Amino acid sequence: DQQVKQNSPSLSVQEGRISILNCDYTNSMFDYFLWYKKYPAEGPTFLISISSIKDKNEDGRFTVFLNKSAKHLSLHIVPSQPGDSAVYFCAASTGGFKTIFGAGTRLFVKA
Amino acid sequence: SQTIHQWPATLVQPVGSPLSLECTVEGTSNPNLYWYRQAAGRGLQLLFYSVGIGQISSEVPQNLSASRPQDRQFILSSKKLLLSDSGFYLCAWTRPPNNEQFFGPGTRLTVL
Repeated sequence: DQQVKQNSPSLSVQEGRISILNCDYTNSMFDYFLWYKKYPAEGPTFLISISSIKDKNEDGRFTVFLNKSAKHLSLHIVPSQPGDSAVYFCAASTGGFKTIFGAGTRLFVKA
Repeated sequence: SQTIHQWPATLVQPVGSPLSLECTVEGTSNPNLYWYRQAAGRGLQLLFYSVGIGQISSEVPQNLSASRPQDRQFILSSKKLLLSDSGFYLCAWTRPPNNEQFFGPGTRLTVL
């Protein structure tokens, strides 16, 4: 049972343009949603999170949007830079002990 | 500041051999600790988590086991490795309230 889904395995974007990574979830009990960035052969690093009581959180070039009625969230990166090329994982937490991760989306930012 | 260590960084083991991966956390007390596996081309699969010494919750039935002998030490073990155990193993700890996870550098395990 995939509670967190990232349906796009990869995304290619031109440098300077917007990158939009999408994530869907099924469990309405999730109270925090997080995005992580991962480079090859390294552990993921935390990028940005959003509480379920909010619909937007912004941190520099990164903005996460949450649509609870659609059980959908997205990560916007503006402007995209070549260094943003990595695998991005969407994750959801119930505030307890478990975090469920999506399968990841590989972002390619072309110079 | 908090740091998390994993070793070894890479490991090549024959099928049927035992396994022991170690994770230690510094700079925090009583952390929630996690073991994940990332198989090739796949996402992060939660294997075990622990909320305290000797307390282990298993998420996926398999031939792996975990132990937490000390507050900041988490060990992943197997008595007999399978080919399907190959993957990238990650240890993590969490910080409330959003359960932001801090990951170690990972161990690349190849079972031949």
